[in-house]
Amino acid sequence: GNSVTQMEGPVTLSEEAFLTINCTYTATGYPSLFWYVQYPGEGLQLLLKATKADDKGSNKGFEATYRKETTSFHLEKGSVQVSDSAVYFCALSPTGFQKLVFGTGTRLLVSP
Amino acid sequence: SQTIHQWPATLVQPVGSPLSLECTVEGTSNPNLYWYRQAAGRGLQLLFYSVGIGQISSEVPQNLSASRPQDRQFILSSKKLLLSDSGFYLCAWIPGTAGGYTFGSGTRLTVV
Repeated sequence: GNSVTQMEGPVTLSEEAFLTINCTYTATGYPSLFWYVQYPGEGLQLLLKATKADDKGSNKGFEATYRKETTSFHLEKGSVQVSDSAVYFCALSPTGFQKLVFGTGTRLLVSP
Repeated sequence: SQTIHQWPATLVQPVGSPLSLECTVEGTSNPNLYWYRQAAGRGLQLLFYSVGIGQISSEVPQNLSASRPQDRQFILSSKKLLLSDSGFYLCAWIPGTAGGYTFGSGTRLTVV
């Protein structure tokens, strides 16, 4: 079946540190991949996406590359800010379907 | 413009009481609509989705039901709430064909 596995949190970093949140997936065919962010008390917002292998999604300094050979879509940011503190969800949309399968989320805490 | 509205934002209900959460979408027609639940400290669970008026698909058997009385309206209901129904409920839709959801701001339900 289709599934997404994210690293356990929380991830605790100091401001300006480098961020990596790992995400791997299992899917048949060629899914689209997404990262969503949830700030405290809010709904989810689409952060970035990639629709085919080797695509790189980017937004607000965050990047993730669709790696089919390793079935991964790791989220990275070169220098995090306190305002990046949130929960990050990796998700996939299976080929031909319009339903998203989410990972369990990774909480990021950035301290000044 | 295309927007999604969800209300109420917070709700505290006693066990055994009924529930009605509403979600509406503006600026589009015949959208796919989704209800997700996020339990405390857990990931997102798809509850229901709808591809059109009167068409509801249930992903998990539970104490909840959904209805779609109008093209851009999606309602989540329960006749008798359980403590385990507490959580953060999110409505979502897919704008366009680029994939990915747009989420409402969510309803935090506490059953006491």
